[in-house]
Amino acid sequence: SYVLTQPPSVSVAPGKTARITCGGNNIGSKSVHWYQQKPGQAPVLVIYYDSDRPSGIPERFSGSNSGNTATLTISRVEAGDEADYYCQVWDSSSDHLVVFGGGTKLTVL
Amino acid sequence: QVQLQESGPGLVKPSETLSLTCTVSGGSISSYYWSWIRQPPGKGLEWIGYIYYSGSTNYNPSLKSRVTISVDTSKNQFSLKLSSVTAADTAVYYCARLWCSSTSCYDISDYYMDVWGKGTTVTVSS
Repeated sequence: SYVLTQPPSVSVAPGKTARITCGGNNIGSKSVHWYQQKPGQAPVLVIYYDSDRPSGIPERFSGSNSGNTATLTISRVEAGDEADYYCQVWDSSSDHLVVFGGGTKLTVL
Repeated sequence: QVQLQESGPGLVKPSETLSLTCTVSGGSISSYYWSWIRQPPGKGLEWIGYIYYSGSTNYNPSLKSRVTISVDTSKNQFSLKLSSVTAADTAVYYCARLWCSSTSCYDISDYYMDVWGKGTTVTVSS
């Protein structure tokens, strides 16, 4: 089965840039989607198809995907960005299965 | 704007069947894929399965023997049944819509979860 690896935590000072990685075997050949989950709330889609932003998501959120690593980048980090972030892909090797990364807790210092 | 709302018992006894419903409002359930996801306390997201409005399904292999997802287009609802539950099934359960905005949406792998319900907490305990 396909495995996505995320760092458990990332810390960043306000105004700086946060980068959250999502590792997977040849993940660059897949479409990666990213979800933000604040405490006690449902996940919210922040990036789809590697780098597209849904309406209402600030331009500060961007994504990239190449080789074995996809990256969610949050520029000019704000206190309100503190949340858990999950990457997601489809594992189509045997059947079409949804795979989530383990999640990364973003802490704004 | 489409909204999703999960409903069902918040407490289920061990060995019994967990049953949840997701009601779709603000849009039709037809012509879309729909999914269930859960999150145990303090842990990450776990995909349970998805259903197409026509009734075709696909499940997480780790849960496949115990899961049934069904759809009722007349009520604009889809449902989850998880049998033989244990404490390990205690979680917040979310329903979500699978959406594709690509120029080609021929494969389920072109889809992502764009709308989520608020989630419902289910505790398995006697």
